[in-house]
Amino acid sequence: EVQLLESGGGLVQPGGSLRLSCAASGFTFGSYAMSWVRQAPGKGLEWVSAISGSGGSTYYAGSVRGRFTISRDNSKNTLYLQMNSLRAEDTAVYYCAKDPDITGTWGTAFDIWGQGTMVTVSS
Amino acid sequence: QSALTQPASVSGSPGQSITISCTGTSSDVGRSKYVSWYQQHPGKAPKLMIYDVSNRPSGVSNRFSGSKSGNTASLTISGLQAEDEADYYCSSYTNSDTMVFGGGTRLTV
Repeated sequence: EVQLLESGGGLVQPGGSLRLSCAASGFTFGSYAMSWVRQAPGKGLEWVSAISGSGGSTYYAGSVRGRFTISRDNSKNTLYLQMNSLRAEDTAVYYCAKDPDITGTWGTAFDIWGQGTMVTVSS
Repeated sequence: QSALTQPASVSGSPGQSITISCTGTSSDVGRSKYVSWYQQHPGKAPKLMIYDVSNRPSGVSNRFSGSKSGNTASLTISGLQAEDEADYYCSSYTNSDTMVFGGGTRLTV
């Protein structure tokens, strides 16, 4: 069964850091681009960041560029999101999501989603 | 990158058809073949319903269909059922190598 499982969320103070992880199973992880998508409480979806299958290319939304870093370890089938200089507006459920294109092209869609991990930035 | 524009809410009766619009610009929806639609029930993760403008993933009912004209994409749900009641989001790849979502549409059946 294809599955994504996020972890690492929690409560952090403004200006603090947090690292999210997403463990993948059931597919050839390194063949697919992966993304992080977040959803603030009661709000819509916001794409945050993406990484190519090899990890050689990364992409960021303007709202997080320079503060967040996406990475992956294909030997561990795991995706990461390092979040620094966190702000109250970063409070959200963070989902990892898989791109369905097996060629590694990113940006086509998100066909598999994790259950999400909650990040709360508050003093 | 501004969010794509969707109506905040739509409603329909069981058995009817509804269409949700998603308006972007020539930098995203208008130029991209990568327009997708997602269904989200309360407290659940989104589910892919349409990709590449009009393609349905395996397992998604053929009551769901997608199309695009110019800078506007549309999701049509025919034969509305109670379980279709959910939030729906469109998404598009952009010419800035980013993805953008619509603000979401609450469907009431």
